[in-house]
Amino acid sequence: GAVVSQHPSRVICKSGTSVKIECRSLDFQATTMFWYRQFPKQSLMLMATSNEGSKATYEQGVEKDKFLINHASLTLSTLTVTSAHPEDSSFYICSAEDGNEQFFGPGTRLTVL
Amino acid sequence: GDSVTQMEGPVTLSEEAFLTINCTYTATGYPSLFWYVQYPGEGLQLLLKATKADDKGSNKGFEATYRKETTSFHLEKGSVQVSDSAVYFCALHSGGYQKVTFGIGTKLQVIP
Repeated sequence: GAVVSQHPSRVICKSGTSVKIECRSLDFQATTMFWYRQFPKQSLMLMATSNEGSKATYEQGVEKDKFLINHASLTLSTLTVTSAHPEDSSFYICSAEDGNEQFFGPGTRLTVL
Repeated sequence: GDSVTQMEGPVTLSEEAFLTINCTYTATGYPSLFWYVQYPGEGLQLLLKATKADDKGSNKGFEATYRKETTSFHLEKGSVQVSDSAVYFCALHSGGYQKVTFGIGTKLQVIP
């Protein structure tokens, strides 16, 4: 099946700094990518839908200025957590769709101290 | 909107026991159904899927059948192993660049 990678897999940062997470579709082009967030012992919740070349669509309650999404090419979407705080600590997972199915990345664990 | 209801865990079983994790869904149209597994500290892995009614997905001894009449996709395994200990998510995808909707996840603990 198709492969989606994420980088970094883990990141620890100080409060107030910004962190960028990359999501790449390695062997297919994805016009649409999705960003999910998973709190401890909870399910995955969609944060935003990222379309190549256009602005992302954010779910209700997700701050667009806090979680900046850029989908500059058909194989790369980035999520930047700006001015991170401890409550932003979470597991962030992206997925990429090939038109039929979504393929999930391995996730990035963010810890904000 | 779409939703997935799955039994809350944790489910604790002895090795070689029979496993069932219930999952029901509501959706418009004809979604594809999935089971994902998440091992401790790792991301999601697709376990199995079914794209239409009466399809049976299977992988690694796990099975689930897409039951349109009962809107269910229960996960079963005849004989669990300690290595099956993980969190299992039932999910649906309505297609067409829509989001995947996940159930809450069921933690399975298999003890020797």
